[in-house]
Amino acid sequence: EADIYQTPRYLVIGTGKKITLECSQTMGHDKMYWYQQDPGMELHLIHYSYGVNSTEKGDLSSESTVSRIRTEHFPLTLESARPSHTSQYLCASSPGKGGTGELFFGEGSRLTVL
Amino acid sequence: AQSVTQLDSQVPVFEEAPVELRCNYSSSVSVYLFWYVQYPNQGLQLLLKYLSGSTLVKGINGFEAEFNKSQTSFHLRKPSVHISDTAEYFCAVKPPTGANNLFFGTGTRLTVIP
Repeated sequence: EADIYQTPRYLVIGTGKKITLECSQTMGHDKMYWYQQDPGMELHLIHYSYGVNSTEKGDLSSESTVSRIRTEHFPLTLESARPSHTSQYLCASSPGKGGTGELFFGEGSRLTVL
Repeated sequence: AQSVTQLDSQVPVFEEAPVELRCNYSSSVSVYLFWYVQYPNQGLQLLLKYLSGSTLVKGINGFEAEFNKSQTSFHLRKPSVHISDTAEYFCAVKPPTGANNLFFGTGTRLTVIP
């Protein structure tokens, strides 16, 4: 049973607001990821981390930022939300060594920017 | 570079009928292959994976997939679907070494009709 949690599950905010999407995992995984999911599209990797103090941008350019101060925590922040940021954001993790690449996903955070 | 094509965006099927969801990939190297399922308002859950060995892989909930190297395919099958199988299904690939993230297809929405 995967133990990875995302909050909030749903968020509706106005343009210009700062938001942080939280992601925590209790499996001790080194690697963590943020994907953006839009209807009818493949999941796009926007950020990933191989461990504490390690963050990289993914394949899809994003105005969001991430931090990895603790192994279990990988929050995503938007300094000034815009309607174009409306999407579902999925957090995932995987073991650092010995893993097969399998990802364990949270339930997602659905963001709507008005 | 890897890419994944899921040929059918929507597949309606009657309850207790068989189903096949198609997935083709392109890659210049060998890959690991995955099928994930996403139930409404939830994150992705691993159905099954192919790493090596037998080309027929069995997963959870009665699903199986067959890896066909010559056709670069990894189609998902179930001999008799249930209403609870209604969900979005994603095929994904990852090279054994190098890139650490999965490359996803655009998904296939399976709708089981009573």
